[in-house]
Amino acid sequence: EDQVTQSPEALRLQEGESSSLNCSYTVSGLRGLFWYRQDPGKGPEFLFTLYSAGEEKEKERLKATLTKKESFLHITAPKPEDSATYLCAVQATNYGQNFVFGPGTRLSVLP
Amino acid sequence: DAGVIQSPRHEVTEMGQEVTLRCKPISGHDYLFWYRQTMMRGLELLIYFNNNVPIDDSGMPEDRFSAKMPNASFSTLKIQPSEPRDSAVYFCASRAGGDPSGNTIYFGEGSWLTVV
Repeated sequence: EDQVTQSPEALRLQEGESSSLNCSYTVSGLRGLFWYRQDPGKGPEFLFTLYSAGEEKEKERLKATLTKKESFLHITAPKPEDSATYLCAVQATNYGQNFVFGPGTRLSVLP
Repeated sequence: DAGVIQSPRHEVTEMGQEVTLRCKPISGHDYLFWYRQTMMRGLELLIYFNNNVPIDDSGMPEDRFSAKMPNASFSTLKIQPSEPRDSAVYFCASRAGGDPSGNTIYFGEGSWLTVV
C-alpha cells in the first residue's frame, strides 16, 4: 500500500541546535517529492522539489535530500522563526496530478 | 502575483445550511485543486480540475459536496447541507501545466469552516 509517513511527529529544539526531519514513502513511480512549510492559520508554503535519488536542494538554513525510500529536511542552526509544521508530499505515477501529503512534523525552536 | 485567493477566510454556520467556498487560482495555472485539512486526516485531496474540467473527484466525501469551475479564474466548493463533521480547513491550490519544473502546487490561505 502506498503511503507517506513523517517523523518525528513533533520536535522541540533550542535555537542553534541542528536536526533533521524524516519523510518516508512507499510509492511506485515517484515523480517528485515536495517539502512545504505551514505556519498556524496559513496555507502550506512551498520549499523544495526533489525528483531523483541523490538530489539535494538548499535554502538558507534548510537542506533537503532524497534517497529511493526517504527524504530528509536538515535544519542547521535553527532560529525561532523556523518554528512551523513541515509537510512532505509525493507525486507518483498512480496519483495522476495529485500530491499525497504526509502528516507533518511540528517544529518548535526555542530562543 | 497575488497568489491563490480564497474566500471567506472564516465561516461559522449552522448544521443544515449551505456553504459556498470560493477560489481564484494563480493566473495562467492550468490545474486547480481543493484540499481539506483536519487534525485526524491531515491534508486530503477532494477534487481537481484541469483547464476547468473536473478530472478526479474521488476524494469528494459525499453527494453533499460539489465543486464547479465555470472559468479559468474562479472555482467554488459547495456543501449542502452542511454537517458538524464537515468542520475543517478547506484549501484551494493551483499549479501550472507543462514540464516537471511546473509541478509545484501553490496553496491559498484556506477557508476555516465551523459547522455548529
